[in-house]
Amino acid sequence: DTEVTQTPKHLVMGMTNKKSLKCEQHMGHRAMYWYKQKAKKPPELMFVYSYEKLSINESVPSRFSPECPNSSLLNLHLHALQPEDSALYLCASSQERGNTEAFFGQGTRLTVV
Amino acid sequence: GENVEQHPSTLSVQEGDSAVIKCTYSDSASNYFPWYKQELGKRPQLIIDIRSNVGEKKDQRIAVTLNKTAKHFSLHITETQPEDSAVYFCAASKLSGGYQKVTFGTGTKLQVIP
Repeated sequence: DTEVTQTPKHLVMGMTNKKSLKCEQHMGHRAMYWYKQKAKKPPELMFVYSYEKLSINESVPSRFSPECPNSSLLNLHLHALQPEDSALYLCASSQERGNTEAFFGQGTRLTVV
Repeated sequence: GENVEQHPSTLSVQEGDSAVIKCTYSDSASNYFPWYKQELGKRPQLIIDIRSNVGEKKDQRIAVTLNKTAKHFSLHITETQPEDSAVYFCAASKLSGGYQKVTFGTGTKLQVIP
């Protein structure tokens, strides 16, 4: 199984809503990532978890709150988002040792209205 | 931190011609260089990668070269086909405390004209 599964695929939320994005992988990877991608731009790193501990927070606003409940799951909790937060949110995972590829999920297309 | 520059930003080629995309990086500690293809509305998918102890790697119509001294790496696609049309991202990566620190280039939109 070389899949990273993200749900939902599409999400429309109001600025006062609270929602969560979910990501799951069963490749035994101990590094998991959240990226944000705007149209015609490269993925932009938001958070990195290594061994279920937050390793990197790239100065992301607190309206985005990551959570890693176990080694297979990664969540991104969203609250009080702004329209400019509309983007494709990609989850990825990789091995924590050696130089190997990051596997990306299919992404959640988020629209904030 | 790492900085990856990618050129060109757009590239149009006739079907059957070759396409070349070039990247440079700044951090000499980067030692893994993946290339991702992203079709419209889809996830980035790895098409080829190269590690710093290798100068060239080929997989069918796709090849990547790496010049560590000059901090350049390039993607070569031969005999292009319409299904090669997509956005291609180069990246430079290094292992850092149990995760991959990946820096992406700005992307190249490749259009293959039938």
